[in-house]
Amino acid sequence: NAGVTQTPKFQVLKTGQSMTLQCAQDMNHNSMYWYRQDPGMGLRLIYYSASEGTTDKGEVPNGYNVSRLNKREFSLRLESAAPSQTSVYFCASSLNVPGTTVSDEQFFGPGTRLTVL
Amino acid sequence: AQSVTQLDSQVPVFEEAPVELRCNYSSSVSVYLFWYVQYPNQGLQLLLKYLSGSTLVESINGFEAEFNKSQTSFHLRKPSVHISDTAEYFCAVSEKKLIFGAGTRLAVHP
Repeated sequence: NAGVTQTPKFQVLKTGQSMTLQCAQDMNHNSMYWYRQDPGMGLRLIYYSASEGTTDKGEVPNGYNVSRLNKREFSLRLESAAPSQTSVYFCASSLNVPGTTVSDEQFFGPGTRLTVL
Repeated sequence: AQSVTQLDSQVPVFEEAPVELRCNYSSSVSVYLFWYVQYPNQGLQLLLKYLSGSTLVESINGFEAEFNKSQTSFHLRKPSVHISDTAEYFCAVSEKKLIFGAGTRLAVHP
């Protein structure tokens, strides 16, 4: 039982390049999330998927796209990277029943540290 | 919209001293409240949560938090900290999604 896994762990991009961050969970969770963490700003939600087949924008979705490939996998794509997207990206999952108040623990991956030059 | 304010960005403390990390939230409806901890170079882990019932909740490693509805606060306390408690602590509130505070960096010194 690996929990939430993310790849890659580190990435350096040049402005304008594209890349996809991968996330997978093996806990049969319904909901998955992508956050970015920047110093002094806590975690900000980029996109989330309440259940397989659905995705919704979070607080800071601009410049990102997501795909909920199946119940296990939720990827985050940067189509044209910008220096403002330099951050640490965390994927998380929770059992949550879609549409209900978030009460279940979110389990986090180890993070991807992305630098855009 | 909900928001979470963590009143201290950094809290330095000596080992075995008590500590309080402050958290206030804004919401006009019932909410659930959480504290998460992030150790260096790791993801976040749930420390404790308040859903309903007793307003005092405890974690397995000696932390506790008290839900105060009238003051819209959910402060985290520990009577005696250890070096291993050095980490960043995040308060979070939820309705349909989790909203995190900016975090408090706890530094425990020998």
